[in-house]
Amino acid sequence: QVQLVQSGAEVKKPGASVQVSCKASGYTFTTYYLHWVRQAPGQGLEWMGIINPSGDTTNYAQKFQGRVTMTRDSSTNTVYMELSSLRSEDTAVYYCARGNISYDLWNPVAYWGPGTLVTVSS
Amino acid sequence: DIQMTQSPSSLSASVGDRVTITCRASQGISNYLAWYQQKPGKVPDLLIYAASTLQSGVPSRFSGGGSGTDFTLTISSLQPEDVATYYCQKYNSAPWTFGQGTKVEIK
Repeated sequence: QVQLVQSGAEVKKPGASVQVSCKASGYTFTTYYLHWVRQAPGQGLEWMGIINPSGDTTNYAQKFQGRVTMTRDSSTNTVYMELSSLRSEDTAVYYCARGNISYDLWNPVAYWGPGTLVTVSS
Repeated sequence: DIQMTQSPSSLSASVGDRVTITCRASQGISNYLAWYQQKPGKVPDLLIYAASTLQSGVPSRFSGGGSGTDFTLTISSLQPEDVATYYCQKYNSAPWTFGQGTKVEIK
């Protein structure tokens, strides 16, 4: 079965960077796009970006351009999301999530990781 | 970027009621629209994609409709386990924007 296992909770100071990992299993890693979505406490879902695990191409939401980097390691079926210049408003649960249809960019998310809480506090 | 606007932002209805949530796109998105259900403390679940196609395992009391800019999610007979926040999402182009969510409660 599809599994997305994320790294553990992080506490960071303002201005620091955080890297969250997402290890995929139960399917062929290179055949599905992976998204990152975040959710601030009590707030809605916010799409951050997408990575093609096959070719390492990415597309980021404009809001995060210049601060976010998504990468992948095909040898370990893992994708990474790094967010820099953290501020208190970045406190949120960060989810990795897999697309619904293989090889298809334009489709919704069908599987979600459990989320990683990132707390930004001085 | 295309904006997604849901209404209402919250609603309270009785068990057995028919409930409808609306999602409006600021530009046409054909049928590239999904609906998600997020129960309290849980990760979101995909309910509907392509505006009206039920994801496998989703109860038939859920249905979706619409095309272009106006979409609906309907629960034909509200059940206690349907208490959740519902989000629409466009996926015809980047960014894959979500609506702000509709919180559904039992009266």
